[in-house]
Amino acid sequence: QKEVEQDPGPLSVPEGAIVSLNCTYSNSAFQYFMWYRQYSRKGPELLMYTYSSGNKEDGRFTAQVDKSSKYISLFIRDSQPSDSATYLCAMSDAAAGNKLTFGGGTRVLVKP
Amino acid sequence: DGGITQSPKYLFRKEGQNVTLSCEQNLNHDAMYWYRQDPGQGLRLIYYSQIVNDFQKGDIAEGYSVSREKKESFPLTVTSAQKNPTAFYLCASSILGQGPSDTQYFGPGTRLTVL
Repeated sequence: QKEVEQDPGPLSVPEGAIVSLNCTYSNSAFQYFMWYRQYSRKGPELLMYTYSSGNKEDGRFTAQVDKSSKYISLFIRDSQPSDSATYLCAMSDAAAGNKLTFGGGTRVLVKP
Repeated sequence: DGGITQSPKYLFRKEGQNVTLSCEQNLNHDAMYWYRQDPGQGLRLIYYSQIVNDFQKGDIAEGYSVSREKKESFPLTVTSAQKNPTAFYLCASSILGQGPSDTQYFGPGTRLTVL
């Protein structure tokens, strides 16, 4: 079993819909949670960074962390065709220092 | 412009050859990392370095080697011992000391194909 599980998709939504992405994990020591966006044949870019449980909002993006359930989510409101990409979750714990553990990524398609 | 550059963008290798992938950053970041990405899989850490002239193995270091002679540069050599080297290779860097988990920034990647 992988440490971080993420549905590969593709997740297809119409423009303007809410995109809901999630990851589950097994290591209860994870404290730092990140979402990266990766366009085809490009490097990932950091979207959101959260620490411990709770919500964080940045524009159209909301990240949620539920440590009790070992479950994190990313919501994209008012989705645009330019949001079509692969979304990767990543996480780490203080003991591992800077080592990140990634999910496999979810491919999202926003149709105009 | 500050950033991370990787070259070449595409690389083709014959079986039995060693190849070296370049990674340069002008962000003055302390740490640098190499990841491998295969279709449908997350990024897997190959090697990382937190300081010049020092580096550590990641989860899949076998068949790879690195050097860190300069803060700005962290080249990765894919040796003939790597049995399945066809993949997308990503370099990243981060500042150390800003917090327990320092944000990593990625380069554009190199796609390596073994012929």
